Amino acid sequence: HVQLVESGGGVVQPGASLRLSCGGSTFDFHNHGLNWVRQTPGKGLEWVSYISEDGTYDFVTDSVKGRFTVARDNFQSTMSLQMNSLRPEDTAVYYCTRNRAGGSYDLWGRGTLVTVSS
Amino acid sequence: SYVVTQTPHMSVAPGKTAGITCEGDNIGEKNVHWYQLRPGQPPSVVMYNVNDRPSGIPERFSASKSANTATLTISGVDDGDEADYYCQVVDLDNDQRLFGGGTKLTVL
Repeated sequence: HVQLVESGGGVVQPGASLRLSCGGSTFDFHNHGLNWVRQTPGKGLEWVSYISEDGTYDFVTDSVKGRFTVARDNFQSTMSLQMNSLRPEDTAVYYCTRNRAGGSYDLWGRGTLVTVSS
Repeated sequence: SYVVTQTPHMSVAPGKTAGITCEGDNIGEKNVHWYQLRPGQPPSVVMYNVNDRPSGIPERFSASKSANTATLTISGVDDGDEADYYCQVVDLDNDQRLFGGGTKLTVL
């Protein structure tokens, strides 16, 4: 079954760190760029990060620059998002997505909830 | 920074046509994708590369774009189409991957 599965979400206080993971199965993980996309009740969907197929190129949205870092391990078929200095506005469901040519996302995980609150 | 604008709400009677718009400067020069989001489920793509339809998406769904507006058209709307719809504007040359604010489609 082709799927992406996120893990690592939870409730943390402002300023804390959290590391999300995304595992891919039953597809050629190493041949796809991957993204993190988050969904908040107030702001809808927001693209967070992208990492290339071989992991040599990555970038994040401006609001998380300097705080979030994305990485991948193609041998383990996993991607991670290291989130530091978390803020209440980072509260969201975080989805892992697979890139299709042209930049659309043809496969989404079920998401993991991150809550940043004191 | 680039801004992508969608009308927050739209209501359509069953059997009628819904036209959900996505506005942005020079959107006609960029790639546009559309996603459907239902409560409790992850988003799923309904149209990609402007007007390509994934397998399983009915032909009632179509999309187009002009200079500054992209449109998702759903003809013969039924209750199952009630959802939030997001456009995504992609300009890989400039590393732009922006979502619109979403349109909540209500079937009357």
